[in-house]
Amino acid sequence: DTGVSQNPRHKITKRGQNVTFRCDPISEHNRLYWYRQTLGQGPEFLTYFQNEAQLEKSRLLSDRFSAERPKGSFSTLEIQRTEQGDSAMYLCASSRTSSVIGYTFGSGTRLTVV
Amino acid sequence: EDKVVQSPLSLVVHEGDTVTLNCSYEVTNFRSLLWYKQEKKAPTFLFMLTSSGIEKKSGRLSSILDKKELSSILNITATQTGDSAIYLCAVEARSQGNLIFGKGTKLSVKP
Repeated sequence: DTGVSQNPRHKITKRGQNVTFRCDPISEHNRLYWYRQTLGQGPEFLTYFQNEAQLEKSRLLSDRFSAERPKGSFSTLEIQRTEQGDSAMYLCASSRTSSVIGYTFGSGTRLTVV
Repeated sequence: EDKVVQSPLSLVVHEGDTVTLNCSYEVTNFRSLLWYKQEKKAPTFLFMLTSSGIEKKSGRLSSILDKKELSSILNITATQTGDSAIYLCAVEARSQGNLIFGKGTKLSVKP
């Protein structure tokens, strides 16, 4: 197992386009989290899944954002009608149950909206 | 609203110096405090603290939690250029496992 994998590593898109990111967690981890990190800020929580169930969404997650985790394995985060303010690093993390022990981050997807 | 505040936001030192990074928090239902090092991409785990007054150490790095003062410090002794990074403090405030992060301290170690 090589840890949490995120794809793509970088994405440049024009304003108004839709983008989708993928996260593959550590295989035995049933919790999966999405965070967003902008320049000069720490990561901000967006949403998390336990297995395939999405259990919490931050108010940062506007209607243009949707996340899925079919079959409780990989997850996708889609942003519709992107705006320049969506430019950020999108980080995924996974953990076994709700414990932060073993909480592991992926390398992130850097989104630039032009 | 839960919040985590780190200071200083940036710090420039020379190799061999000792640095102390600060983290304070205001959260309900505190469970644990974590320190991460972030170089270019993924934050990497340093320490997890749950009990007040017990120092965690790993090589030249150490950290301690003060629950009475709602704060933690991260010490790095004999700094090296490889210590240059952003150091993030995060608090787990509820049972769901999502973390509340501070803005980070950007440490630059000059040769």
